[in-house]
Formats: sequence, C-alpha cells, structure tokens
Amino acid sequence: AQSVTQLGSHVSVSEGALVLLRCNYSSSVPPYLFWYVQYPNQGLQLLLKYTTGATLVKGINGFEAEFKKSETSFHLTKPSAHMSDAAEYFCAVSALGTGKLIFGQGTTLQVKP
Amino acid sequence: SQTIHQWPATLVQPVGSPLSLECTVEGTSNPNLYWYRQAAGRGLQLLFYSVGIGQISSEVPQNLSASRPQDRQFILSSKKLLLSDSGFYLCAWSLQGDYGYTFGSGTRLTVV
Repeated sequence: AQSVTQLGSHVSVSEGALVLLRCNYSSSVPPYLFWYVQYPNQGLQLLLKYTTGATLVKGINGFEAEFKKSETSFHLTKPSAHMSDAAEYFCAVSALGTGKLIFGQGTTLQVKP
Repeated sequence: SQTIHQWPATLVQPVGSPLSLECTVEGTSNPNLYWYRQAAGRGLQLLFYSVGIGQISSEVPQNLSASRPQDRQFILSSKKLLLSDSGFYLCAWSLQGDYGYTFGSGTRLTVV
C-alpha cells in the first residue's frame, strides 16, 4: 500500500525566508508524486508533479520539489516566501493502477510580515 | 479547455434531510471522477470514484452514495444526513491513465 506523511502540520516563516515543506512517501513501486495548494474555502490547485525523468521539478509560483528515491522524499521549497503563499499544502502519491491519489494530512503555511 | 463545476458553494441542512451535490466537467470525454471530503484537521478522504457511466467505487462505508448518470456528471447523495456528514466536499476529475487531478471549488456542508 502507498502512503504519504507530511512532517509538520503548521509551518511559519517570515516574508522573504526560505519555505521548506516536508513530504515522505511509501511505495513499493516507482511513484508519481504531487504537491497541491489550497486557499481558504477553495478547491485544490496543482503546484507541480513528478512522474518520470528529471528529479528536480519546477512548478507554479516559484515552487519546486526534488524527488529523492533513496530518502523516499519529495520536499517542496521556495527560495523566498511571499505573503500570498499562505495556504494549506498537500503532498500526494499515486496508487498504482487505480488512478487514485493518496493525500497527506496537509501542512498549513503561515507567512509573517 | 476543460472546466469543472461544482454546486452549491455552501449548504446548511438539518439532520435527517436529504442531500444532493452535483459536479459536472466540460471539455473532455470519459474522465475519471472523484468525490473527496475534507473535515477539519483530517486531510482529504476519498469517498467515491468512477471510471465510467454507472461505474462507482466506494472507498469507505458511510451514509453517502454516488451516481454517474452521464459521462461528465457526478452526483453525491444522502437520504438522511447526519451531523458527522458536515465538511468540505470536493469533486475532481482526471484523464484516464493520468494522475493529475483538477478539483472543483468545493461545497461547504453544515449539518445542523
């Protein structure tokens, strides 16, 4: 079975500081990995995804993530936080052969002025 | 381009009343369709998914049901709502064989 663990339910950074949101996955087969962002009372928006190929994936709004097979991780980073980045972030892994995504519990990012 | 519509945006219903939430997708054919529920502090729980008309898979036993009467229409229903059915309900679609989901804007359901 596949699973996702997001370390830290709440992360607080200052505006302009590095953003690092942690995600570890469990999968017996090569995974597809995703990061989604959710603003209050809205649906989820895809930030980026890894399927195959280059392990450093760039997404929207300046975010990127690196797939590290040896560490079973897919951490999300952004060099400089902006106030508009305050939201909830979800990491997800594909359930092979089913088309279903398994989501982590989410991390709320707070950006302080 | 593809779009997904979900309504209503908010809903307040008394315990024991019926429920019907609708989701439609435009601009694509034969999508995979999904219903998720998001309860406070509990992440996203997959409720139902469908790979075609009339084909519904249920992920967890509960007070809800789903139907797909048309290729691009997905309906979430209940005959009698419980307090525990409160939450934020999200519909999503993906292409067959593609794991990238596109989510609707969600319905905030409060059962009182």
